[in-house]
Amino acid sequence: DTGVSQNPRHKITKRGQNVTFRCDPISEHNRLYWYRQTLGQGPEFLTYFQNEAQLEKSRLLSDRFSAERPKGSFSTLEIQRTEQGDSAMYLCASREAGGNTEAFFGQGTRLTVV
Amino acid sequence: GESVGLHLPTLSVQEGDNSIINCAYSNSASDYFIWYKQESGKGPQFIIDIRSNMDKRQGQRVTVLLNKTVKHLSLQIAATQPGDSAVYFCAEKGDGNKLVFGAGTILRVKS
Repeated sequence: DTGVSQNPRHKITKRGQNVTFRCDPISEHNRLYWYRQTLGQGPEFLTYFQNEAQLEKSRLLSDRFSAERPKGSFSTLEIQRTEQGDSAMYLCASREAGGNTEAFFGQGTRLTVV
Repeated sequence: GESVGLHLPTLSVQEGDNSIINCAYSNSASDYFIWYKQESGKGPQFIIDIRSNMDKRQGQRVTVLLNKTVKHLSLQIAATQPGDSAVYFCAEKGDGNKLVFGAGTILRVKS
């Protein structure tokens, strides 16, 4: 399968713990996005990388959130000191460079903070 | 700011009928739009896209219409099948190449 891969698929954690998610994009895609989706809503943009450079961060991305893409391939999203309000589906997407091309999404990581 | 709204309505159609899902967007400068399908527990799946220099684009059983005058998109699904049941989102390309999504429309197909 050469699509976008996310791990883990599900994560249950206690409030206050740190969690890290991984995204492996489609190999030739240099743009990588993280989104968050809560029940009944569309995905909300969190951050965007072009190669290893993080080019944009949403104001939704508080200082407890950090994302990296060290070698311009896979990316990680870390949430420190998790809160119940962080419970959501975290989606990763990738797309080719250039103008208007579609973004392909992974299956997401479902985070539940208890 | 930018917004793409669907207000999460539910559309119920009979199997074999055509479905039309509507979407309004607010950023008149948007030049690229995508429709996604999302099944329960899965990530959004690309269906079809359209650039702002077009007003219609057809795929397999799907057609997207773009009316820039009233900032409206629609997705038409021909001969709707039970496998089409999902949440459908429209998205527009916003500033910095990110996609801005609406809340979604639930499509239920009755057999």
